Amino acid sequence: AQSVSQHNHHVILSEAASLELGCNYSYGGTVNLFWYVQYPGQHLQLLLKYFSGDPLVKGIKGFEAEFIKSKFSFNLRKPSVQWSDTAEYFCAVTAHNQGGKLIFGQGTELSVKP
Amino acid sequence: ETGVTQSPTHLIKTRGQQVTLRCSSQSGHNTVSWYQQALGQGPQFIFQYYREEENGRGNFPPRFSGLQFPNYSSELNVNALELDDSALYLCASSSRGQTYNEQFFGPGTRLTVL
Repeated sequence: AQSVSQHNHHVILSEAASLELGCNYSYGGTVNLFWYVQYPGQHLQLLLKYFSGDPLVKGIKGFEAEFIKSKFSFNLRKPSVQWSDTAEYFCAVTAHNQGGKLIFGQGTELSVKP
Repeated sequence: ETGVTQSPTHLIKTRGQQVTLRCSSQSGHNTVSWYQQALGQGPQFIFQYYREEENGRGNFPPRFSGLQFPNYSSELNVNALELDDSALYLCASSSRGQTYNEQFFGPGTRLTVL
């Protein structure tokens, strides 16, 4: 069965610090990978996605993620976080032939101190 | 463009009761997926509906059932409620047929079972 593991439950950073959130998945076939963000009181929103091609994908608000197939990883990065990045971040995977059934990690809560 | 809407926002039920949650998909979308998000966890896939039929199901018992209507809106029904059913229930709509049917999430319905 597919699963997604996020390494950190809660991350606390100061503004301008660099961010890297870890995500590993288990599935042997072709996958599509996603990072979603949930700002306080708001809907889940898509940050970025990977289907194929360049393993370094760029998303909204300066976020990027790198797909490393050999490590089954899809880590999220941002060079300099802002207070407004405070939110919960979810990594998700869907198998290429499963029509959009998303498997989510448990989430990482990011708190950015001004 | 109208986004995904869900009703009600909050709901309190007692153990053994039945509940119906509703979802209106985003304009132009023909597929609806339902997820359960327990406190402190990532969303878990319940099932997906496409063309008014169930199209994939997660690890949830049969007392979780659903419907999709000709206008693509959907209902999630849960019978014989248990305390562990307390969670945020998310609906996501997408448009099947694209390379990837990106899922757009609604705000969720917070269900509390006492």
